[in-house]
Amino acid sequence: DTEVTQTPKHLVMGMTNKKSLKCEQHMGHRAMYWYKQKAKKPPELMFVYSYEKLSINESVPSRFSPECPNSSLLNLHLHALQPEDSALYLCASSQDPDRGFASGANVLTFGAGSRLTVL
Amino acid sequence: KQEVTQIPAALSVPEGENLVLNCSFTDSAIYNLQWFRQDPGKGLTSLLLIQSSQREQTSGRLNASLDKSSGRSTLYIAASQPGDSATYLCAPRNTGGFKTIFGAGTRLFVKA
Repeated sequence: DTEVTQTPKHLVMGMTNKKSLKCEQHMGHRAMYWYKQKAKKPPELMFVYSYEKLSINESVPSRFSPECPNSSLLNLHLHALQPEDSALYLCASSQDPDRGFASGANVLTFGAGSRLTVL
Repeated sequence: KQEVTQIPAALSVPEGENLVLNCSFTDSAIYNLQWFRQDPGKGLTSLLLIQSSQREQTSGRLNASLDKSSGRSTLYIAASQPGDSATYLCAPRNTGGFKTIFGAGTRLFVKA
């Protein structure tokens, strides 16, 4: 299995709703990532988990809450979002956290994304 | 802070042309650099990864080169086809962390 699976593919939510995005991989990767991509812009890093621990939070607002319950699963919990949070949310994984020379071979593998619309 | 620039921003070519996409980055302390393809509204597909110790990688009609010291990478596409139409993103991965930073991409359109 060489895939990163994201669900749902599309999500529409109101500003008072609570919803979650889910990401799953079975490649044995120990680093998992959330990226946000607005239309016609490059992906922007939000969070990185390494060995199920949060390693990077790129100053993301607290209305986005990541969770890594185990090495194969990554969630993004959404609450009280704003319309400007509408975007494509991409999950990615890589084999090992960067540790020295061997990390140069780590390929970043992306899922198909979850398209979020906040009304 | 790593900054990645891709030139040109958009490119329209007739089928069969060979073409070169350019990427430059400001911080040469990288582990590797990946080239991705993205179709509209879709996720990213990895095309090639070049490790910092390598100068180039090839996959089929694609060839990517890396000059780490000058902060440049190029993606060469041979004999372009309409199916190559997509946005191509360059992404160096910095040392000392998990950050892969993306350029804004080159939007390629190959006319039949």
